[in-house]
This record gives sequence, structure tokens and C-alpha cells, in this order.
Amino acid sequence: EDQVTQSPEALRLQEGESSSLNCSYTVSGLRGLFWYRQDPGKGPEFLFTLYSAGEEKEKERLKATLTKKESFLHITAPKPEDSATYLCAVQAHFGDGNKLVFGAGTILRVKS
Amino acid sequence: SAVISQKPSRDICQRGTSLTIQCQVDSQVTMMFWYRQQPGQSLTLIATANQGSEATYESGFVIDKFPISRPNLTFSTLTVSNMSPEDSSIYLCSAATGSTDTQYFGPGTRLTVL
Repeated sequence: EDQVTQSPEALRLQEGESSSLNCSYTVSGLRGLFWYRQDPGKGPEFLFTLYSAGEEKEKERLKATLTKKESFLHITAPKPEDSATYLCAVQAHFGDGNKLVFGAGTILRVKS
Repeated sequence: SAVISQKPSRDICQRGTSLTIQCQVDSQVTMMFWYRQQPGQSLTLIATANQGSEATYESGFVIDKFPISRPNLTFSTLTVSNMSPEDSSIYLCSAATGSTDTQYFGPGTRLTVL
């Protein structure tokens, strides 16, 4: 069964204090790994898709990386507006390839 | 990217009643999905809404409880039937233009059942 585990559950940072969020996954052939951001009371907002080990993608202060077993979301010099829940999801090649399996998320709070 | 709207944004319902949630996409999409997000938890896929055929339900979800329609390539509905307080949740619609494409999400419908 495909599984996604995110850590830590919650993270508090000072503004400017860089850190990383982890997403460990078990999947029967990875088709894609997705990162989303979710603000309270809103739907998930797409950030990145990673398809193969070694791939990296960047957007502003965020950088996502992928290995064969996990993905990291690196946040460089975060600002209070980066506070949100960050969700990781995997899509498998085999079986129902359209399905996304989500992790529980990491709640990030950035204080000024 | 697709822009997705949902109606209603929130509702408070009585036990035993049903609520239909609408999902509208601003462009034609291949795939549409319905998810549930229970308080403090992550997203769980309820079903894939198939255009012109019956929805494909995930384990633990059944058509009698969550009937889904998808009459065309831009619109879908999810009905939560015979509701109980355990159905209180956020219901989210998503859409993708292909089987390997990114899923974009609507804003969600926050349902409270009393």
C-alpha cells in the first residue's frame, strides 16, 4: 500500500531561520511527487511536481528535492507569509495512476 | 492551471438530511476528483468522477452515501446523503487535464452536521 509520512508535524521558525520539511514515501513505482501549500480555510495550492530522483525545483524561498525514498522542501530565510500547512502527495505508476496519496502535512509557523 | 469554484462554501445541516456540493472548472478537464479532509487531518480521496459513466469509489466510500454526477467536462456534484455528525468535514473538489497532470483544488466546502 502506498504511504506518505511527513515530519515534523509542526515547525516554528523565526523569520530568516532556514529549515527543511521531510516527506518519506513508499510507493509501487513513483509517477510523481507533489508539494502543496494549504492556508487555513482554503484548498491546497500547487507548488511543485518532482518525477525522478535527483530532480530539484525552486520557487522564491522554496526548493524541493527528491531521492528514491524521500523528498525535502527547503525554506530559505522564511517570512511570516510562508506560514501554512505544507502537504506532500505521491502518485503511483501502477494500479490507479491518477490517485494522489497525501501525507498528514507539516504545519509551519514563521514568527517575525 | 485550472480555476475551480465550489458551492456552497459552507453549510450547517441537520442529521438525516442530504447536501449536494457543486464543483465548476473554468476549462475542460479530463479528470475530476472528490476528497474529504476531516478536522486536523489530511486529504482522503472519496472518488474519481468519470464523465459519462459511474464514479470510481475508494475503499470505505460507497455510492449510496456519496452519489456523484459528472454531466460534462467542467462540472461535477457530490451529494452527502443521510448525514450524521461524523460527516462533518471539508469536502474538496480537484481537477487535472490528464492522468499524470497536476491536480488543482477548489476552495472546499465546510460541512457541519448537527
